[in-house]
Amino acid sequence: DAGVTQSPTHLIKTRGQQVTLRCSPKSGHDTVSWYQQALGQGPQFIFQYYEEEERQRGNFPDRFSGHQFPNYSSELNVNALLLGDSALYLCASSLVDRESYEQYFGPGTRLTVT
Amino acid sequence: AQSVTQLDSQVPVFEEAPVELRCNYSSSVSVYLFWYVQYPNQGLQLLLKYLSGSTLVKGINGFEAEFNKSQTSFHLRKPSVHISDTAEYFCAVRPTGGYNKLIFGAGTRLAVHP
Repeated sequence: DAGVTQSPTHLIKTRGQQVTLRCSPKSGHDTVSWYQQALGQGPQFIFQYYEEEERQRGNFPDRFSGHQFPNYSSELNVNALLLGDSALYLCASSLVDRESYEQYFGPGTRLTVT
Repeated sequence: AQSVTQLDSQVPVFEEAPVELRCNYSSSVSVYLFWYVQYPNQGLQLLLKYLSGSTLVKGINGFEAEFNKSQTSFHLRKPSVHISDTAEYFCAVRPTGGYNKLIFGAGTRLAVHP
């Protein structure tokens, strides 16, 4: 049973560029959440997708956008990259049922903005 | 809104000694509580969770935590640590109502020395 997978594992971009990160949820899961983990900090919630729509959003600017595909996989897009966007980006999957408490995390994508 | 405070950024301990990692939270609504572990260059793994019932919960790898509602705390303990427990530990909360969105603390780095 494959867990949550993310690609790429590492990425280096220049300020002002755009980046797309990808996530495949754990088998059977229908909800994908994205988190940003800056160095030395805990993960911060970016947004959550279910049924190809954004259900909830954290305190992140519109430069951060996402998409969920019919197979439940998801993309995180960041436009006009800033140095402060350098972080580990974590994807987590779960079931939409609110009684399902566990979120399963992928290994993350390390983004470095220079 | 919810917030989580992990009172120690780093905890050094010798192998086979007991350890306690402290977590306090603030919330105007009832919450579920979680502890996650992050090994180097990996994603987050759930150690244990408190949903309801007994305030002492047991998790994987010999860890346990106690929920104290009056002190709004959820401290993590292990009676005897191993070198392999060296990792970053995150306390997180999620409102019992609403979507499955986690709010994390800043993390505690547990360093186990021989």
